[in-house]
Amino acid sequence: EVQLVESGGGVVQPGGSLRLSCAASGFSFDSYEMNWVRQAPGKGLEWISYITSSTALIYYADSVKGRFTISRDNAKNSLFLQMNGLRAEDTGVYYCVREHSYSYGENWFDAWGQGTLVTVSS
Amino acid sequence: QSVLTQPPSASGTPGQRVTISCSGRSSNIGRHTVNWYQRVPGTAPRLLIYKNNQRPSGVPDRFSGSRSGTSASLAISGLQSEDEGDYYCAAWDDSLHWVFGGGTKLTVL
Repeated sequence: EVQLVESGGGVVQPGGSLRLSCAASGFSFDSYEMNWVRQAPGKGLEWISYITSSTALIYYADSVKGRFTISRDNAKNSLFLQMNGLRAEDTGVYYCVREHSYSYGENWFDAWGQGTLVTVSS
Repeated sequence: QSVLTQPPSASGTPGQRVTISCSGRSSNIGRHTVNWYQRVPGTAPRLLIYKNNQRPSGVPDRFSGSRSGTSASLAISGLQSEDEGDYYCAAWDDSLHWVFGGGTKLTVL
């Protein structure tokens, strides 16, 4: 069974940092592209970042570029999101998401974790 | 402001057919396939439709999707109470981002 389990969320002051982790199991983690998607309270889903299986390609949403860093450790079946310079608008549930690769522009998200809550507040 | 545009709400009575629209641009829906996700309160989002009109195993055939030009739609026939939740469309954008719609809250009356 495919499992994605996020951890590392919590309450942090504006300007602070957090590191989210996602433990993957039940599939060949090193064969999949991965993403982080978040949902602010009362808002919709927002894609945050993408990383290829080999880490050769990494993309970020404009809202987090320069502040967040995505990374992975294929040997430990883990995905990470280092979040620096946190702002109140970064508050939300952060999901670790597996991407099914079919071809350029024809992929989809086929597995989601349960999410971890990040609250940025003084 | 989401890149893809969805109506904020939709509703129907049990057994009815409901459609949810999703409007984008040539850089996303116009060139790439559309996926739909369902989020029932208290649970993680789940894949409902991929590649415009494909259903993953386990998704009832009451759910169907289509795409035309820079728009897409999700149709739910034989509406059931368990269909209540939020529905999101998504597509890859040539700006090297995934983009989502703002979500449509479906209420079964």
